[in-house]
Amino acid sequence: EAQVTQNPRYLITVTGKKLTVTCSQNMNHEYMSWYRQDPGLGLRQIYYSMNVEVTDKGDVPEGYKVSRKEKRNFPLILESPSPNQTSLYFCASSITRGKAGQPQHFGDGTRLSIL
Amino acid sequence: AQKVTQAQTEISVVEKEDVTLDCVYETRDTTYYLFWYKQPPSGELVFLIRRNSFDEQNEISGRYSWNFQKSTSSFNFTITASQVVDSAVYFCALSEAGTGTASKLTFGTGTRLQVTL
Repeated sequence: EAQVTQNPRYLITVTGKKLTVTCSQNMNHEYMSWYRQDPGLGLRQIYYSMNVEVTDKGDVPEGYKVSRKEKRNFPLILESPSPNQTSLYFCASSITRGKAGQPQHFGDGTRLSIL
Repeated sequence: AQKVTQAQTEISVVEKEDVTLDCVYETRDTTYYLFWYKQPPSGELVFLIRRNSFDEQNEISGRYSWNFQKSTSSFNFTITASQVVDSAVYFCALSEAGTGTASKLTFGTGTRLQVTL
């Protein structure tokens, strides 16, 4: 089954304790992206990757890191989480190969609470 | 810069009523794509439809229909004979076809639809 898998689904942690949210897709997609969803703000892009070893900042990258060492994986790293990073996070992927506007497939979301 | 506005924060209807969710977008690109996603109470995001800027034909899929009007920069979504299962947050999104960020989605703030019996 084609899917984007995020882990963990839920996490409560404390300020300053490094955490990683994993994202894996099995569709051989080139493009992967992370979004955060906050009430009244919709979804905003954090980072994206056009392919292996190619990553770039989205609209709200502060406090986050990513890496793309393999095509299928795109982890989101919070080196020193703070309460303002409490949010619902989504990983997404899509095929590109010169085709703009392809629908993105989303993971089920990770709800992070930073105390 | 691209922008999507969903002015309706929350809509409540009674089952079987028709409801239209509004979406207004801004872009300087001549080639762009518009999307609707559904987020049910379980939280996942479900892709509903994609439209490119060169195709202004309205689309109907069962009880769902979409009206794309470039003249008013709108891409509205109508649910006919709403059902309780339609209760969800609906997001409109825009993707520009420029290089580099061709797949980036800019989302509206969402419209929460509540359908009651």
